[in-house]
Amino acid sequence: QQPVQSPQAVILREGEDAVINCSSSKALYSVHWYRQKHGEAPVFLMILLKGGEQMRHEKISASFNEKKQQSSLYLTASQLSYSGTYFCGADSGSGNTGKLIFGQGTTLQVKP
Amino acid sequence: DAMVIQNPRYQVTQFGKPVTLSCSQTLNHNVMYWYQQKSSQAPKLLFHYYDKDFNNEADTPDNFQSRRPNTSFCFLDIRSPGLGDAAMYLCATSRASGRAGGTQYFGPGTRLTVL
Repeated sequence: QQPVQSPQAVILREGEDAVINCSSSKALYSVHWYRQKHGEAPVFLMILLKGGEQMRHEKISASFNEKKQQSSLYLTASQLSYSGTYFCGADSGSGNTGKLIFGQGTTLQVKP
Repeated sequence: DAMVIQNPRYQVTQFGKPVTLSCSQTLNHNVMYWYQQKSSQAPKLLFHYYDKDFNNEADTPDNFQSRRPNTSFCFLDIRSPGLGDAAMYLCATSRASGRAGGTQYFGPGTRLTVL
C-alpha cells in the first residue's frame, strides 16, 4: 500500500517554511525521506525509526508519529536549493530487507 | 569514492529487442534494489536482492528479470521491451541487518527509450 503524501505541490518564497506529510495505512518500522531534483537520482535526507527521536538535516527536520503512522517533514527558512520533489519511503519491517514503498511525491518550488 | 554506478546512462532500444542494464557498487552493501520511475511518478520497486536471495514484487511483469552474480554487480534484463517500459531505471543499495533497513543509496539511473 503506497503511503499518501500531502500536499502534492508547494510554491514558496525564499525564507518561508513548509510542511510535507506522509501517511501510511500500514504499521511502519521506519520512514525515509528523499529529495530528487529533475533528471537526477533521489538523495537521502533522513530516516525516522519507530521509537526514535526527531531528526534534523541542516534546516530540515522530520518527525514520526507512530500512533498515526504519519511522518512530517519540516522545511524551515527555505532556500532555492530546496527545490525538487520530496518522497517519503515507508518501511514496514517485513522481510528484514529494508525495502521501501515510496509515496507519490511532493513537488516543492522555491522562488527568489 | 564509494558509490553506485549504472551503465549505460542512456539506452535506446527497439520494441521487442532485449536489453540489459547494469549496476555496480563499491559500498559492499548486502541489498541491491531495482526501481522503475516514470515521469512525475514515484520510484516503483521491481525487485531486490538480499545477498543472493531474490525478492520479486508481486506486480513486476515477467518481462523483467534480474541477476546478481556477486556482491558488487546486479543486472536488469528486459526480455521484450514494450513502449510502456520506457522509463528511468534506478539501482539502489543498502546495508540491512535485523529489522534495521539501512539508508538506500541510489545510482544516477539509466534512461530507457523504446522506439
